[in-house]
Amino acid sequence: AQSVTQPDIHITVSEGASLELRCNYSYGATPYLFWYVQSPGQGLQLLLKYFSGDTLVQGIKGFEAEFKRSQSSFNLRKPSVHWSDAAEYFCAVGLNQAGTALIFGKGTTLSVSS
Amino acid sequence: EAGVTQSPTHLIKTRGQQATLRCSPISGHTSVYWYQQALGLGLQFLLWYDEGEERNRGNFPPRFSGRQFPNYSSELNVNALELEDSALYLCASSLANTDTQYFGPGTRLTVL
Repeated sequence: AQSVTQPDIHITVSEGASLELRCNYSYGATPYLFWYVQSPGQGLQLLLKYFSGDTLVQGIKGFEAEFKRSQSSFNLRKPSVHWSDAAEYFCAVGLNQAGTALIFGKGTTLSVSS
Repeated sequence: EAGVTQSPTHLIKTRGQQATLRCSPISGHTSVYWYQQALGLGLQFLLWYDEGEERNRGNFPPRFSGRQFPNYSSELNVNALELEDSALYLCASSLANTDTQYFGPGTRLTVL
C-alpha cells in the first residue's frame, strides 16, 4: 500500500540556521511529490512539487527539495530559517492522474527559536 | 486571481444534525476534492468531484456525501453527525487532468 512517512513529528531550529525535513514514500510507480505548509488554523499552501526532470526543485519562500529515487525520499530544505517559517509541513504523493487522492504524511511541526 | 474559498469558516452542530460545507474552486479548475483533517488522524481523502460527477471517494461512510454544481463549486454534506466528525474540512481544486491540488482555508466543524 502507498504510504508517506515523515519521521520527525516536531523539530526546533534556531532562526538563521538551516533546515531539513525528511519525507520517505512507498509507492508502486514513480510518484508525483509535493510539500505543503499549514499555518495554525489555516489551509495548506503548496511549497513545491516534483513531477520529473531535475531532481532538485525550487519552491516558494526559499525552500527546495531533492528527490532521491534510490532512497525513496523527498526531503525539504531551507538554508536559513526565518521565524515566520514556524508551521506544520506536510509531504504528499500522488499519481499523474486527475482526481488522484493525495496521500499525506502525518506532518512535521517546525518551531523556530530566537 | 482568487484562490479556493470555503464557507463557513466555523460550524458548530450537535450530534445527529446535518452539516453543509461549501467550496468554490479556483477559476478554470473543474476538479474539487474534499479532505478531512481530524486530530490525530492526519489528512484523509474524502471525495473527488469532476464535471459534476462523484469520481472517487475515500474510506468514509455514505453519510458523507456531496455534489458539484454546474459552476464547479461543491458542497459537502455530513448527515447524522457524530462527535468524531469534528475536524477541519479542506477543499482543494485542480485543473482537469492534473493532480496539483490547491487548498482552501478550510471549515472547522465542531460536533457537540
